[in-house]
Amino acid sequence: QKEVEQNSGPLSVPEGAIASLNCTYSDRGSQSFFWYRQYSGKSPELIMFIYSNGDKEDGRFTAQLNKASQYVSLLIRDSQPSDSATYLCAVASGGSYIPTFGRGTSLIVHP
Amino acid sequence: SQTIHQWPATLVQPVGSPLSLECTVEGTSNPNLYWYRQAAGRGLQLLFYSVGIGQISSEVPQNLSASRPQDRQFILSSKKLLLSDSGFYLCAWSTPGGTYGYTFGSGTRLTVV
Repeated sequence: QKEVEQNSGPLSVPEGAIASLNCTYSDRGSQSFFWYRQYSGKSPELIMFIYSNGDKEDGRFTAQLNKASQYVSLLIRDSQPSDSATYLCAVASGGSYIPTFGRGTSLIVHP
Repeated sequence: SQTIHQWPATLVQPVGSPLSLECTVEGTSNPNLYWYRQAAGRGLQLLFYSVGIGQISSEVPQNLSASRPQDRQFILSSKKLLLSDSGFYLCAWSTPGGTYGYTFGSGTRLTVV
């Protein structure tokens, strides 16, 4: 069974700090990796996807993928209180359009 | 641009009553469509997905059914709701390959009383 693991948190960081969110997965055939942000009571919103080993940057967000170690992480630089949300990691195997979701990590950015 | 509409936003239904949730997508053709449920404090559970009109795959046997009568319309139904059907129901779409991830609708919060 394919598993995607995330620390449920909460991860608490001060405003302006770097928040680091981690995700590990069990399926070595995984090829697509996604990060979603979900505010309380709202639906998830895709913020990043990554397919290749290394880093991918988009504004304050950086996704990091290490297939050999089977982990993917999301860094949020200059964290803001508005970043406070649950972050869901999703992983899809090659040829599959249906990812496995982790349960999410709750992030709290305090002023 | 593509948009996804899901309604109603909230619903309170008695046990044993029927259910119909509708989802429509605009601005794209032949999308993959999905229904997920998110129970309080739990992860996303895939309920159904569809790769085309009339094609429905069920992930979890339960009290629910899904239909896709049109290319960009996806309906979640139940003939008789159970208390355990309460949750946050999310419709989503993706391109056929799912390459760029999902776009979720705004969700329906269902409370069965």
